[in-house]
Amino acid sequence: GAGVSQSPSNKVTEKGKDVELRCDPISGHTALYWYRQSLGQGLEFLIYFQGNSAPDKSGLPSDRFSAERTGGSVSTLTIQRTQQEDSAVYLCASSLLAGGYEQYFGPGTRLTVT
Amino acid sequence: AQSVTQLGSHVSVSEGALVLLRCNYSSSVPPYLFWYVQYPNQGLQLLLKYTTGATLVKGINGFEAEFKKSETSFHLTKPSAHMSDAAEYFCAVSPPGIQGAQKLVFGQGTRLTINP
Repeated sequence: GAGVSQSPSNKVTEKGKDVELRCDPISGHTALYWYRQSLGQGLEFLIYFQGNSAPDKSGLPSDRFSAERTGGSVSTLTIQRTQQEDSAVYLCASSLLAGGYEQYFGPGTRLTVT
Repeated sequence: AQSVTQLGSHVSVSEGALVLLRCNYSSSVPPYLFWYVQYPNQGLQLLLKYTTGATLVKGINGFEAEFKKSETSFHLTKPSAHMSDAAEYFCAVSPPGIQGAQKLVFGQGTRLTINP
């Protein structure tokens, strides 16, 4: 079956612009996660959705970052007024249920802020 | 707060040799434990996980790991390395139970190189 998909695969943007990153989880997976992977910080948790609600937003690094999930499916991560330190690979994962269940990862979106 | 330490950012072994990647965690209660592998320009793939039960866990591609509570460790091993095992490996933990925070906390990763 289809895995987690993310778009775009690569995004180059100018400092100060807004960007939207999209994640399509595996059908039927109720939990969805966003992580960020960068050279300096490794793999960091950003936000977790259970259905359409986000019980854990503790990893969002600033109020420039926001995310939403609609219909219990697709999620969008938005970064406003991008900064160079936002350059990273943004990974999305989904799992059937939260709590120790395997998280399936997408290929990621590589964001470069120039 | 939970944390994960992977000893050795780079490990190099010869083809056919034992692979040992070390992972130690810090947690007030035994967490769920995971090993993920990442090939270049790809997402993460689960190798194996420990939640409850048998402490020796077998995963894909001939890898296994043993949960040792007394040592707070979850080291990854493979008896005989293959060239295709070259990748980056991440150890991760999450709090046990449905009601806990669901995020994975990752170690810094270990890049495994296989020498012919």
